[in-house]
Amino acid sequence: KAGVTQTPRYLIKTRGQQVTLSCSPISGHRSVSWYQQTPGQGLQFLFEYFSETQRNKGNFPGRFSGRQFSNSRSEMNVSTLELGDSALYLCASSLGTMVSWQFFGPGTRLTVL
Amino acid sequence: DQQVKQNSPSLSVQEGRISILNCDYTNSMFDYFLWYKKYPAEGPTFLISISSIKDKNEDGRFTVFLNKSAKHLSLHIVPSQPGDSAVYFCAARSSLGGTSYGKLTFGQGTILTVHP
Repeated sequence: KAGVTQTPRYLIKTRGQQVTLSCSPISGHRSVSWYQQTPGQGLQFLFEYFSETQRNKGNFPGRFSGRQFSNSRSEMNVSTLELGDSALYLCASSLGTMVSWQFFGPGTRLTVL
Repeated sequence: DQQVKQNSPSLSVQEGRISILNCDYTNSMFDYFLWYKKYPAEGPTFLISISSIKDKNEDGRFTVFLNKSAKHLSLHIVPSQPGDSAVYFCAARSSLGGTSYGKLTFGQGTILTVHP
């Protein structure tokens, strides 16, 4: 099976712009979660989508949003970018059940100038 | 409020010896725990997990121990190999409500270096 893919791998934006990141989960996985990794805060949960519905949400401002399509692919959007949004954004997919674990993609490195 | 803590930022061991990575948690609702390994510029890779109904789970060179009363888990790697050098993350999850399976709370990570 192909792994989790994320595009683009690297992105440079300026403050105030918006950005959309994409994630394609492993075939058959219905759950897609997004995480932000920064040196100071570590890996922090953004949100999870399961069968096109947001099932869980972390403590991030409303500028961070996402969606999931019927084929389980997911997108994450960040509007009005701030310097502090510079981070590695990781997507993870899973079956979304009690004993399933998450498989992570390679991440998208976002730099905000 | 850090609900999952890895108090050792780094650990250095000799090849062939045991590596023990520790993790503490505060949220008593956590009932499933996972360890991930991460290399630079890659996403975390799942290593091993344990449910709260068990106190030990073993997979090859990797064993995870869970002490629920102490809210503590540890990952043992025996024997350690240079290829094990990476950042190790402990993560926890709650099954509360049956909808939180996709939400992991991570520790800050421990950098393991295995010297030849």
